[in-house]
Amino acid sequence: KAGVTQTPRYLIKTRGQQVTLSCSPISGHRSVSWYQQTPGQGLQFLFEYFSETQRNKGNFPGRFSGRQFSNSRSEMNVSTLELGDSALYLCASSLTGRRDTEAFFGQGTRLTVV
Amino acid sequence: AQSVSQHNHHVILSEAASLELGCNYSYGGTVNLFWYVQYPGQHLQLLLKYFSGDPLVKGIKGFEAEFIKSKFSFNLRKPSVQWSDTAEYFCAVNAGNMLTFGGGTRLMVKP
Repeated sequence: KAGVTQTPRYLIKTRGQQVTLSCSPISGHRSVSWYQQTPGQGLQFLFEYFSETQRNKGNFPGRFSGRQFSNSRSEMNVSTLELGDSALYLCASSLTGRRDTEAFFGQGTRLTVV
Repeated sequence: AQSVSQHNHHVILSEAASLELGCNYSYGGTVNLFWYVQYPGQHLQLLLKYFSGDPLVKGIKGFEAEFIKSKFSFNLRKPSVQWSDTAEYFCAVNAGNMLTFGGGTRLMVKP
């Protein structure tokens, strides 16, 4: 079966702009989580959605937001981009998102803010 | 809140050497434990997981890990590494709806 698909793979944006990243989970998975990966901070949890509801949120400013659609696809939005937002953004999907389920990761979207 | 620490940031081994990567977590309740691997240019892949039962779990590619509850540890081991094991390894815990990752360990295996 198809894995987790993230689009686009690469993005270059200017400071102050906004960006939307997309994630299509594995078919049948209802939980989608987003993570930010940087060399300095490692992998940090952004938020998790299940059945179109945000269930958990990490310690990121309100400029970072997301949503999930009825088909479980998810989007992440970052407004007023800052240089420090340059990172690899990873999406993970799982059946339920509960602690005893495995998360499958996409290839990520590499965002560069200039 | 839970936290995860990986003791080694960089490890360099020769082929056939044994590997042990340390992972300790901090959380007072029940957690599930994972090791993920990220090969150069590839996505994160699950190596192994611990949910319950036998604390010694076996994963893919000859990796295993031992959960020691009293030490809050979940160390990754492999008896004999190969050049193809060169990658970054992440320990993670899930206490509910989110994964908390350690800082990662970059492993380089010299042929």
